[in-house]
Amino acid sequence: EVKLVESGGGLVQPGRSLKLSCAASGFSFNDYWMGWVRQAPGKGLEWIGEINQDSSTINYTPSLKDKFTISRDNAQNTLYLQMSKLGSEDTAIYYCARVDYTFDYWGQGVMVTVSS
Amino acid sequence: DIQMTQSPPSLSASLGDKVTITCQTSQNINKYIAWYQQKPGKAPRLLIGFTSRLVSGIPSRFSGSGSGRDYSFSISNVESEDIASYYCLQYDNSPLTFGSGTKLEIK
Repeated sequence: EVKLVESGGGLVQPGRSLKLSCAASGFSFNDYWMGWVRQAPGKGLEWIGEINQDSSTINYTPSLKDKFTISRDNAQNTLYLQMSKLGSEDTAIYYCARVDYTFDYWGQGVMVTVSS
Repeated sequence: DIQMTQSPPSLSASLGDKVTITCQTSQNINKYIAWYQQKPGKAPRLLIGFTSRLVSGIPSRFSGSGSGRDYSFSISNVESEDIASYYCLQYDNSPLTFGSGTKLEIK
């Protein structure tokens, strides 16, 4: 069974950084692109970016490229999202997802709240 | 970036109705569109990929069609369990972009 479990969310002050993790199981992690999507409270889905199998290609939505960094550790079957210079606009549920042409499996999401 | 115009923002349907949601894209996406269902408090679930390919285990009352810039998603014989928001996603070009969503309610 494919399973994706995000962690690392919580309350963070404006301007600070936070790193999210996504633990994958039930499939061969190093065979797939992986990605991140977020959803602000009561809003729609926003694609953050994706990373290929060997981390040689990483794509971001332009507005987040300078703030967010996607990485992965294939030995640990884990995907990461490093977020910096956080602002209130980054308050959202963050989902990791497996890419098989499109996002086919999603984690349950982790909440990040940016507030003083 | 490819813009996605999804409509309507909300739908109210009776049980057994057929409903249709549309997504128009700002440029040809070569049928690389997927449709997701999201229930309150849950992660999105993939229903359809590549315009019309139903994911295994998804009921056949869900369907998709389209080409070029115009795509549609339909639910025939709406059931109570279909209460959710639905999103389109183009994955032809980076950055990937979602439609703004359609909230389905039951009358």
